[in-house]
Amino acid sequence: QKEVEQNSGPLSVPEGAIASLNCTYSDRGSQSFFWYRQYSGKSPELIMSIYSNGDKEDGRFTAQLNKASQYVSLLIRDSQPSDSATYLCAVRIQGAQKLVFGQGTRLTINP
Amino acid sequence: KAGVTQTPRYLIKTRGQQVTLSCSPISGHRSVSWYQQTPGQGLQFLFEYFSETQRNKGNFPGRFSGRQFSNSRSEMNVSTLELGDSALYLCASSSGTVINEQFFGPGTRLTVL
Repeated sequence: QKEVEQNSGPLSVPEGAIASLNCTYSDRGSQSFFWYRQYSGKSPELIMSIYSNGDKEDGRFTAQLNKASQYVSLLIRDSQPSDSATYLCAVRIQGAQKLVFGQGTRLTINP
Repeated sequence: KAGVTQTPRYLIKTRGQQVTLSCSPISGHRSVSWYQQTPGQGLQFLFEYFSETQRNKGNFPGRFSGRQFSNSRSEMNVSTLELGDSALYLCASSSGTVINEQFFGPGTRLTVL
């Protein structure tokens, strides 16, 4: 079992709709969770961090964390073509000074 | 505040050579992590340094090494390059003693011929 798993996609969503990205992790003791966006040919950019169960909203982005079920999700409301990118889920494993990344989900927003 | 910088941005080497990549973290950040990104393996953790000490190391052969200087700048070295070392090498910096939010540099694209 991989430490962090994401559907690789591609996920195709019409413009203006809600894009939903999911991530599961195996280490039950994980405390910190992050979403990064990576455009083709660019480096990852941090867009959300979440540490507590529940929802965290930032503009059009909402991160959701459920530690009991060991999943974290990212919702993008009012999706725009500029949201088309690969989204990487990252988890800090308990006791480790490193982040473990999922393989990423490729998202395409169709005008 | 200036972001993470990496040099060089692009590098072409041949098998058997060695290479050194450099990373300057965000001012005030003391933790620097290095990752290798390839289409097949995704983002793979290489190592992390904090205050000149390596705190964590990924599952890479000993040909991959790194160090951190007193000004928090970091270098990574790959010796005896192999074709499979072709990748985007990313450096990320973090502010605290505990790794949380990491901010990535633009990366160094290494091609091994």
